[in-house]
Order: sequence, then C-alpha cells, then structure tokens
Amino acid sequence: SQQGEEDPQALSIQEGENATMNCSYKTSINNLQWYRQNSGRGLVHLILIRSNEREKHSGRLRVTLDTSKKSSSLLITASRAADTASYFCATGGSEKLVFGKGTKLTVNP
Amino acid sequence: SAVISQKPSRDICQRGTSLTIQCQVDSQVTMMFWYRQQPGQSLTLIATANQGSEATYESGFVIDKFPISRPNLTFSTLTVSNMSPEDSSIYLCSVVKTSGGDYEFFGPGTRLTVL
Repeated sequence: SQQGEEDPQALSIQEGENATMNCSYKTSINNLQWYRQNSGRGLVHLILIRSNEREKHSGRLRVTLDTSKKSSSLLITASRAADTASYFCATGGSEKLVFGKGTKLTVNP
Repeated sequence: SAVISQKPSRDICQRGTSLTIQCQVDSQVTMMFWYRQQPGQSLTLIATANQGSEATYESGFVIDKFPISRPNLTFSTLTVSNMSPEDSSIYLCSVVKTSGGDYEFFGPGTRLTVL
C-alpha cells in the first residue's frame, strides 16, 4: 500500500512564485525523500531528510519534516518554467522505498 | 551518481506476447529494483533483483508474470509475460549504489503500450 500522500495533487503557479507541496505518511520512517519526474521519464533524487532532522535546504529547495504529525513539506522558491514536473515523496524504513501519489506542478512562464 | 540505461525506451506490443526490458548500470551496485508506473499513477515496486538468485517479489506480483534476471552486479532484465492492455505502463529500474545507501538512482524508464 502507498505510504505517502501528497497534497495537492496538482498545482499551477506563475514563474517566480513559490511552490509548496505536502506529504503525509502513516508509519515510522528512517528518512523521507523527494524525487522529481519530468513528463513520464525517470525519477531524479532531490533531497533526503532523516527522521532526526527538522529542516533541510538544497539550493532553491527547502524540506521540513514533522515526525509528530507524520508530514513533510517541499518548498521550491522562485520557481522557473523548468521546475514543471511531478514531485513524489518516498519514505524509507528498511531497504525499499514507498512512494506517494505525487504532485503535478506546472510553472507558467 | 550512477548512469543507468534501459532498453527499449518504448514499445508497442500485441496482447499475449512478452517483452524483455534491459537495465544496464555503469558501475557495480548493491541493489537493483524494478517498478511499474501505471498512467497517471505513482510508482509501485515489483521486485528486488538479486544477483545470482531469485528475485524478491512484492505482494501482487509473481515470477511467472514478471520473471527477472540479474546475472551480475551491473545488469538486470525484467520480462512482462503474456501481456494484456492492463500491463501498459512505464517500467523503471533503479539502483542503490552502496550497502546502506539511502536513495535510489533511476533509469529513464520503458514506456510499454499493449494493444
């Protein structure tokens, strides 16, 4: 069964705006990861946050993790048209990842 | 990082036939996985490809339908057998480079359409 549930399912914004996507999960995790998928291609790993971390940054990406609420958020600042993609959270507990349903982000130029 | 290639990149197949998808990595990796992504959906893990032994299948996936080989540490194949239109999906392989590695590198995917 799916572990992560992303919210919203789809998001459309203008270039330069910030995009926030949320992920909720159900069981204990070792880490939570975010991946990007461009138009039905392979996934690209964006960022990993461990269960003992609360916030992490990578370039224009900011990820938060609240283990008490079993939720995470991904913030993309100053969005660009090239950020248009689907974004998935994935939870890691043992050796395999469990992916959420994804958020489809469209950044309009 | 790891560079992963998949062949074919896409195919259109007839019902009842089988297709073998290849996954090649540019370096030895500890773990290889096969996922299915149905249209508009998320990724579902099919199996873990084990080098030199039978793959470990997830619930709902069986070896007769999705036989997997992994003859060495850089190569694996997934066969989709006796295909039906419901098998139309993107099939992705992924790898973990080192033991205990946390995240996966994905291949570009194989887009399969079954008529």
